[in-house]
Amino acid sequence: DTEVTQTPKHLVMGMTNKKSLKCEQHMGHRAMYWYKQKAKKPPELMFVYSYEKLSINESVPSRFSPECPNSSLLNLHLHALQPEDSALYLCASSQEAPGELFFGEGSRLTVL
Amino acid sequence: KNQVEQSPQSLIILEGKNCTLQCNYTVSPFSNLRWYKQDTGRGPVSLTIMTFSENTKSNGRYTATLDADTKQSSLHITASQLSDSASYICVVSRYGGSQGNLIFGKGTKLSVKP
Repeated sequence: DTEVTQTPKHLVMGMTNKKSLKCEQHMGHRAMYWYKQKAKKPPELMFVYSYEKLSINESVPSRFSPECPNSSLLNLHLHALQPEDSALYLCASSQEAPGELFFGEGSRLTVL
Repeated sequence: KNQVEQSPQSLIILEGKNCTLQCNYTVSPFSNLRWYKQDTGRGPVSLTIMTFSENTKSNGRYTATLDADTKQSSLHITASQLSDSASYICVVSRYGGSQGNLIFGKGTKLSVKP
């Protein structure tokens, strides 16, 4: 069982909705990440937080807005998404950045 | 160009048989190489992580090898089980880089049949 917990596991939303994905880890890791994975493709890095500060934004559209309220929590706020944003969104953490990644189970997002 | 190539793209084997998955990389400077197992629709799970000085690392029935000179790695699965059916992803990290310098391979999809 993963020690990185993501909620919800599945999310269906319309293009005008506002929703959030949540991620939590209690391993004391100081780096947390969001990845996006399309079917049959490897994960693509979106954001990296190190010590609760955004350190990497891989040119992600502003309709995705990350937030790191504390060292254990990571949110991804979603607004005005497009159908092509439908994917598996993976949260990961590591002791430091860079480091060995521990992934969550993912949140399967469908945008109608 | 920093790349990670995996082969084969997909593989079907019978339960109980052994198999070997390959990973070739051109990432430089090299820091470490990781193998992940990913079940369909779920997050990747780390199997092994190897640095420059490590040639072999085992995790149960999984054994990874690394040849840093030829920039090749392999993942050997012994006595396969149905639960080994998954995608296996090779990930190489660039030395001194941020977490954005993880280079992912496209994975090998393994199907173990009864």
